[in-house]
Amino acid sequence: GENVEQHPSTLSVQEGDSAVIKCTYSDSASNYFPWYKQELGKRPQLIIDIRSNVGEKKDQRIAVTLNKTAKHFSLHITETQPEDSAVYFCAASILGGFQKLVFGTGTRLLVSP
Amino acid sequence: NAGVTQTPKFQVLKTGQSMTLQCAQDMNHEYMSWYRQDPGMGLRLIHYSVGAGITDQGEVPNGYNVSRSTTEDFPLRLLSAAPSQTSVYFCASSRTSGGAVGYEQFFGPGTRLTVL
Repeated sequence: GENVEQHPSTLSVQEGDSAVIKCTYSDSASNYFPWYKQELGKRPQLIIDIRSNVGEKKDQRIAVTLNKTAKHFSLHITETQPEDSAVYFCAASILGGFQKLVFGTGTRLLVSP
Repeated sequence: NAGVTQTPKFQVLKTGQSMTLQCAQDMNHEYMSWYRQDPGMGLRLIHYSVGAGITDQGEVPNGYNVSRSTTEDFPLRLLSAAPSQTSVYFCASSRTSGGAVGYEQFFGPGTRLTVL
């Protein structure tokens, strides 16, 4: 079945620095790759997603890149702020659809002032 | 709109007890799913449904049952609770048709379950 690996498990940066989180997937049929942010004690919330027919997508300080050949995708956060501190999860769809997801194990991002 | 709601927020069970976790959504989403979240393991899919009357298994279905009699509700039943089922459970819903709205899964607030 699909396997999604996420690195690093923890990431500490100074405010204003950039942060990059990387994920790899195994199912070549995966066609949808969302990223979720989860603050402590809260529910996961979608921050950005990308479909397999697109190589890059940006939304203000957040961007996602996808390399289908290498089967990896990355989340880039620029000009980090303390409120970006949270756990970030990547996910990949399986069975050629868009809803059934396999999640990575998460990256705890800590942004220090 | 309330979005996705879950009850209860917290629950403590003894080994062997059964219970039902409730999930409801008011967004008319076709797709609903249940995940469990354990430390260091991300979110793992338990069961999912693509519409009323249709359910299927995810990655970790053993020990859990679901049914989908209406579009709005998707309860998760623990048949005989075990300590290994101690976890945080999230329900989520999304559209299946995508389009301009996309495929975002909206999560409920979660249920923290402890099995002694």
